[in-house]
Amino acid sequence: KQEVTQIPAALSVPEGENLVLNCSFTDSAIYNLQWFRQDPGKGLTSLLLIQSSQREQTSGRLNASLDKSSGRSTLYIAASQPGDSATYLCAVLTMGDSNYQLIWGAGTKLIIKP
Amino acid sequence: NAGVTQTPKFQVLKTGQSMTLQCAQDMNHNSMYWYRQDPGMGLRLIYYSASEGTTDKGEVPNGYNVSRLNKREFSLRLESAAPSQTSVYFCASRGPGMNTEAFFGQGTRLTVV
Repeated sequence: KQEVTQIPAALSVPEGENLVLNCSFTDSAIYNLQWFRQDPGKGLTSLLLIQSSQREQTSGRLNASLDKSSGRSTLYIAASQPGDSATYLCAVLTMGDSNYQLIWGAGTKLIIKP
Repeated sequence: NAGVTQTPKFQVLKTGQSMTLQCAQDMNHNSMYWYRQDPGMGLRLIYYSASEGTTDKGEVPNGYNVSRLNKREFSLRLESAAPSQTSVYFCASRGPGMNTEAFFGQGTRLTVV
């Protein structure tokens, strides 16, 4: 059974630092991995999607990498800003009994201190 | 673009009461999902619908029913609410194929007392 883990559960850093969030998964048979952002009391917003054949994806100050063989992905945030404060979740897309399913990590709560 | 719209945003129920959470998407997506999110846990899939007229159980379906009314709408019903169903509920939709993003509603915060 696929399991997705995100460590640490919470992270607090000063503004301006570069930081890395981690996501690990137990079964390498994934179709893609997605990173999402969740603001308090809000829904989830997709940040980056990495296909299983890709090694990384970039969007602005965000860079996500994928190492399928080791079951790991990282989300790199450059020059962090207070507006980056949110919970970041990763999810892998796998085939369930009869359809694609997303399996989720519990998230990393990120606080950027001004 | 409205995207995925969920109603209501907040609800308090007494144990044993019933209610329906509504979800609609305007992106012409075939796949729609209902998740619940509890503190310290990832999102857990309650039910999903791969296309209009089909629904399937997810990881935690007990105590819930769903209806895929048409391509746009996917509702979640609690027939007899229990305190264990206190949670934040999210509806989501995805386009066809593997490498399409999921879009989420704003969530419904449900408290059962």
